[in-house]
Amino acid sequence: QKEVEQDPGPLSVPEGAIVSLNCTYSNSAFQYFMWYRQYSRKGPELLMYTYSSGNKEDGRFTAQVDKSSKYISLFIRDSQPSDSATYLCAMSPSGGSYIPTFGRGTSLIVHP
Amino acid sequence: EAQVTQNPRYLITVTGKKLTVTCSQNMNHEYMSWYRQDPGLGLRQIYYSMNVEVTDKGDVPEGYKVSRKEKRNFPLILESPSPNQTSLYFCASKQGPGGYTFGSGTRLTVV
Repeated sequence: QKEVEQDPGPLSVPEGAIVSLNCTYSNSAFQYFMWYRQYSRKGPELLMYTYSSGNKEDGRFTAQVDKSSKYISLFIRDSQPSDSATYLCAMSPSGGSYIPTFGRGTSLIVHP
Repeated sequence: EAQVTQNPRYLITVTGKKLTVTCSQNMNHEYMSWYRQDPGLGLRQIYYSMNVEVTDKGDVPEGYKVSRKEKRNFPLILESPSPNQTSLYFCASKQGPGGYTFGSGTRLTVV
């Protein structure tokens, strides 16, 4: 079992839909949780960053962490064609080198 | 502008010809890493550095070398490139537990 599991998709939704992207993990030492967005032929960019459990909201984006279930989610409200990209989850333990473990990414397509 | 700059963006080379991909960050970050990204395999860490003169192997270090002589620079060296090193490479930097800032990528083809 991989440390971080993420469905590769693609996930295709109509413009305006609510999108739910998810990752599961097995390492209970993970404390920092991140979501990155990667457009085609570009480097990943940090979208959301949370520590431990709970929710964090930023505009149309909400990150949710459920450590008891080892499950994290990214919700995108009112999705736009410009949200079409690959979304990667990442997580790291506290202390030490803080080296993150990445999911393989979910491809999202928002069609007009 | 805070950024990670890597060069070149595209490179085609022949098997065995030594090459260096440069990486520089202007954010005074302690941590720097190199990743390769391949279809179906995601991001895999090659090497990382926690500070000047401190480097360590990631998940796929074979065939690569790095050095960290200055805080801002973290070059990736392929002493004898082989076709299985054809990939998209990313340099990244961060501070402590924060998220990475990634460079724009270097697409390397080894023929």
